[in-house]
Amino acid sequence: AVQLVESGGGLVQPKESLKISCAASGFTFSNAAMYWVRQAPGKGLEWVARIRTKPNNYATYYADSVKGRFTISRDDSKSMVYLQMDNLKTEDTAMYYCTAGEFAYWGQGTLVTVSS
Amino acid sequence: DVVLTQTPPTLSATIGQSVSISCRSSQSLLHSNGNTYLHWLLQRPGQSPQLLIYSVSRLESGVPNRFSGSGSGTDFTLKISGVEAEDLGVYYCVQGTHAPYTFGAGTKLELK
Repeated sequence: AVQLVESGGGLVQPKESLKISCAASGFTFSNAAMYWVRQAPGKGLEWVARIRTKPNNYATYYADSVKGRFTISRDDSKSMVYLQMDNLKTEDTAMYYCTAGEFAYWGQGTLVTVSS
Repeated sequence: DVVLTQTPPTLSATIGQSVSISCRSSQSLLHSNGNTYLHWLLQRPGQSPQLLIYSVSRLESGVPNRFSGSGSGTDFTLKISGVEAEDLGVYYCVQGTHAPYTFGAGTKLELK
C-alpha cells in the first residue's frame, strides 16, 4: 500500500529555518512528481511546492508566498522528499502535507508552528 | 495565478439528498496537451484530504459512484447523488493545469 510519512515539524521562531521530510513507499517513487501542500489552522488548503522527476530535470515550482524562502528537493535513492524552509514567518504556521500521484496519495501531515 | 471560486461555501443536506458544488476558474483549465487538470478532494474532520475525482470526471479507485464530476473550460461541478453520513466534511477543487497550482476555498457539507 502507498504510504507517505512526514516528519520534522515543530516550534520555531520567526526568521529561523526548518527542514521537513517525507518518506514514501508502496509506489515507484522515482517516477512520481511530489508536492507539498499546507493548511493553516482552521483554514483551507494551499499548494506550496512541486518537484518533477529526473527525466524532467527535477524541475521545481513554488507558490508566490514561499518563493525565495522554501526549497523542495528529493532523494530518489531513499524515496524521500524534503522542504527546506528559511526565513520563516508567523503566517507559515500550518500543517504541512506531502502528496503524490496528482493528489491521489497524502501523508498525515507534520505541524510547523512559527512563533516567538 | 488562477483563482478557483467554489460555491456555495456551506451546504446543508439531509441523508439521501442529492447536492452539487460549483467550481469556477478565472481562466480555462484546458491544457495544451488536451487534458483538463481539475480535481475534487474531500477532507473529513481531523483527516488528510482524499482524492475523489480527477481530470474533471474520472472517479478515483475506491470512491463510491454516487460521486460524479462534470464540466469544461472554466465551469466545473461535483455532484453527490444521495448524501451519506460519511460524506460530511469540506470539499475542495484544485487545478493542476497552470503553475502555481491553486485550490478553491472549500465547501463545507453539513447535515441539516
